Amino acid sequence: QVHLVESGGGVVQPGMSLRLSCEGSGFIFSDYTMNWVRQAPGKGLEWVSLISVDSNTQYYADSVKGRFLISRDNAKRTLSLQLNSLRAEDSAVYYCASSVITRSGLERSFDYWGQGALVTVSS
Amino acid sequence: DIVMTQTPLTLSVTPGQPASISCKSSQSLFHSDEKTYLSWYRQKPGQAPQLLIYEVSNRFSGVPDRFSGSGSGTDFRLKISRVEAEDVGTYYCMQTIQVPLTFGGGTRVEIK
Repeated sequence: QVHLVESGGGVVQPGMSLRLSCEGSGFIFSDYTMNWVRQAPGKGLEWVSLISVDSNTQYYADSVKGRFLISRDNAKRTLSLQLNSLRAEDSAVYYCASSVITRSGLERSFDYWGQGALVTVSS
Repeated sequence: DIVMTQTPLTLSVTPGQPASISCKSSQSLFHSDEKTYLSWYRQKPGQAPQLLIYEVSNRFSGVPDRFSGSGSGTDFRLKISRVEAEDVGTYYCMQTIQVPLTFGGGTRVEIK
């Protein structure tokens, strides 16, 4: 059974940093592109970042580019997101999600999701 | 960026009745590999989203056959043939053909 478990959420002041982790089990972690998606309170889903299986490719939403850093450790089956220079508008539940890659190198869909980690940025 | 537009915002349905959600993209989601990169998700209250449909019309493992997806190019639809109480939640479409990946704004399904 596939499990993705996020950790590292919490309350931080504006301008501070936080590191989220996502541990995968029940599947071959190194075979899947991994993503972060966030959801502000009462709002919809916003894709944040993705990282390829070999870590060579990373993409970010414009809203977090230059402030957030995605990484993965396949040996430890762990995905991470370093959140720097946090702003109030970064407050959200952050989900990690795995995706299958098609032969064209595109993500087919987000097959499995973690339960989410809440990040609150407030002074 | 590809904009995904869902309608309606809210759907109130009697159990056993059908429901339909529309999703339109600002650009075609059809790729030269002949796949269309449109997927659907359901988010039950207080839970993480779950994949329902990928590549327009393929049900994900374990998804009941009352869920079906259709469409092509820029115009897509999710149908629930007979709504059940457990279908309450918010439904999202998402495109994965181009970064940034984008979601529709969501459609909330309520039970009458």
